[in-house]
Amino acid sequence: DTGVSQNPRHKITKRGQNVTFRCDPISEHNRLYWYRQTLGQGPEFLTYFQNEAQLEKSRLLSDRFSAERPKGSFSTLEIQRTEQGDSAMYLCASSWDRDSPLHFGNGTRLTVT
Amino acid sequence: EDKVVQSPLSLVVHEGDTVTLNCSYEVTNFRSLLWYKQEKKAPTFLFMLTSSGIEKKSGRLSSILDKKELFSILNITATQTGDSAVYLCAVDRSNAGGTSYGKLTFGQGTILTVHP
Repeated sequence: DTGVSQNPRHKITKRGQNVTFRCDPISEHNRLYWYRQTLGQGPEFLTYFQNEAQLEKSRLLSDRFSAERPKGSFSTLEIQRTEQGDSAMYLCASSWDRDSPLHFGNGTRLTVT
Repeated sequence: EDKVVQSPLSLVVHEGDTVTLNCSYEVTNFRSLLWYKQEKKAPTFLFMLTSSGIEKKSGRLSSILDKKELFSILNITATQTGDSAVYLCAVDRSNAGGTSYGKLTFGQGTILTVHP
């Protein structure tokens, strides 16, 4: 159990560019979640997967955001045409099942200039 | 809309003090309340509470839930500088099938600073 791994740790991009983040959950965890955290606030839910199925999406997830978990293992979160308001920490979490607590990764900090 | 409110927003104490952090919530179909500690990076799991009145303990930390009054407290006794962090409270709700909705709603967090 090596914990939830996220890459990259930091990403600086110019407005209008596309970015993609990767999350590797704890091995054999069925559920995978994406959250976004801005300075001074708690994490906000974006979306979650049960194996490869995306079961819930927040209305925060505009059509510029897309998440995938193609084989039920790692996941990617892509943001197209980034805006300055997208600057935040993007946290990934996983859990064994619906009754287990979430375990978070260290996050990817996105800065849009 | 689910809502979680934490208080105080920040707290400064000295080593050895005891602190109590508060979390009140409004959620439809409450399932559980969770406490996390965040030190600059990943929130780390502390407690999951589902039943009223049952205290959960881990070392110097303890927590209890009151489902009637819709709040929880997190106590830290004999604080140490290593306890300095943001403490996050979150609630989970059940869907129509009784399973987890899969979406935690977090409070703003309490920033705890422990001075030597």
